[in-house]
Amino acid sequence: KAGVTQTPRYLIKTRGQQVTLSCSPISGHRSVSWYQQTPGQGLQFLFEYFSETQRNKGNFPGRFSGRQFSNSRSEMNVSTLELGDSALYLCASRSSGQPLVLGEQYFGPGTRLTVT
Amino acid sequence: DQQVKQNSPSLSVQEGRISILNCDYTNSMFDYFLWYKKYPAEGPTFLISISSIKDKNEDGRFTVFLNKSAKHLSLHIVPSQPGDSAVYFCAATLANYGGSQGNLIFGKGTKLSVKP
Repeated sequence: KAGVTQTPRYLIKTRGQQVTLSCSPISGHRSVSWYQQTPGQGLQFLFEYFSETQRNKGNFPGRFSGRQFSNSRSEMNVSTLELGDSALYLCASRSSGQPLVLGEQYFGPGTRLTVT
Repeated sequence: DQQVKQNSPSLSVQEGRISILNCDYTNSMFDYFLWYKKYPAEGPTFLISISSIKDKNEDGRFTVFLNKSAKHLSLHIVPSQPGDSAVYFCAATLANYGGSQGNLIFGKGTKLSVKP
């Protein structure tokens, strides 16, 4: 079974631009979560999508948005990029809507975004 | 304010010895805890978890201990191997959070180096 894939793996953008990152979950998984990893803040939850609906959101500004398609693939968008948005963006998928137990969440390798 | 804290950014251990990674949390409502391991250029991989109704969970060389009164958990790796060298993240969640599915609250990670 193929794992979670994220594209692109690396991205360089300029301050003020916008960016779209893509995540393809494991086949059959309907939930996709997004996390931001920075050296200063560690791993922080952005949002979770399940069956095309956002059902949980972390404490990030409205510049960060996402969506999920009917095939469970998800995209996240960051508008008006700031230098502080430079980070590793990880997506994770899981199969069901059940509570997050047993470590059933599988992470992709991430997209490294650099804002200059 | 950080709800999950890993106060040691790094730990160095000799091969064959015990590695002890610590994690503290502030939210007494957390009811499920997980440890993830992360190698460079890869996403975090689930290692072991523990429910708040237990105080110990063991899986091979890995044991997690939970002290609810102290709001503290630890991961023991015995014996440590060079392949265990990675960043270890502690995470907590509310497994039955508010009707929606709980996200993971991560610590900032501890970089473990196991020397041959």
